[in-house]
Amino acid sequence: QKEVEQDPGPLSVPEGAIVSLNCTYSNSAFQYFMWYRQYSRKGPELLMYTYSSGNKEDGRFTAQVDKSSKYISLFIRDSQPSDSATYLCAMKSVDDYKLSFGAGTTVTVRA
Amino acid sequence: ETGVTQSPTHLIKTRGQQVTLRCSSQSGHNTVSWYQQALGQGPQFIFQYYREEENGRGNFPPRFSGLQFPNYSSELNVNALELDDSALYLCASSAGSLPDEKLFFGSGTQLSVL
Repeated sequence: QKEVEQDPGPLSVPEGAIVSLNCTYSNSAFQYFMWYRQYSRKGPELLMYTYSSGNKEDGRFTAQVDKSSKYISLFIRDSQPSDSATYLCAMKSVDDYKLSFGAGTTVTVRA
Repeated sequence: ETGVTQSPTHLIKTRGQQVTLRCSSQSGHNTVSWYQQALGQGPQFIFQYYREEENGRGNFPPRFSGLQFPNYSSELNVNALELDDSALYLCASSAGSLPDEKLFFGSGTQLSVL
């Protein structure tokens, strides 16, 4: 079983729809949670960073963490064609240097 | 403020050769990490350097090695290349080595091993 599970999709939505992405994890030591956006053949770009259970909002993006269920989510409101990318969840524990990534979910927003 | 830059952007090598990839960290950052991302997969941690010392390593063989220089730039060296080494190699920098530091990635070097 992988430490971080993420549905690879692909996910296709019409412009203006809400995009819902999620990851589950098995390592209860994970304390820091991130979402990265990656365009084709580019490096990941940090979108959201959280370290506590609950919701964090930044513009059209909301990150949700539920440590008791070992489940994190990213919601994108009013999605735009420019949001078409692969979204990676990533996690880190207090005593480790590495980020553990999900496999990424490919999202296409249709104009 | 400049971001993380990597060179070259693309590289083609043959099996058994050696390769060196380079990374310049973001201004003010003293910690560099390297990740390997195979097609359709999430990045996998190779190792991290802090103040010129390796202070964390993932599940990669010794033929993957690195250096960090006094200006915090870094190199990733891979010896005896194998076909499975074909991947996007990502460098990430952070302002420190603490677990809560945010990582910022470069655009990567696409390595193809034939």
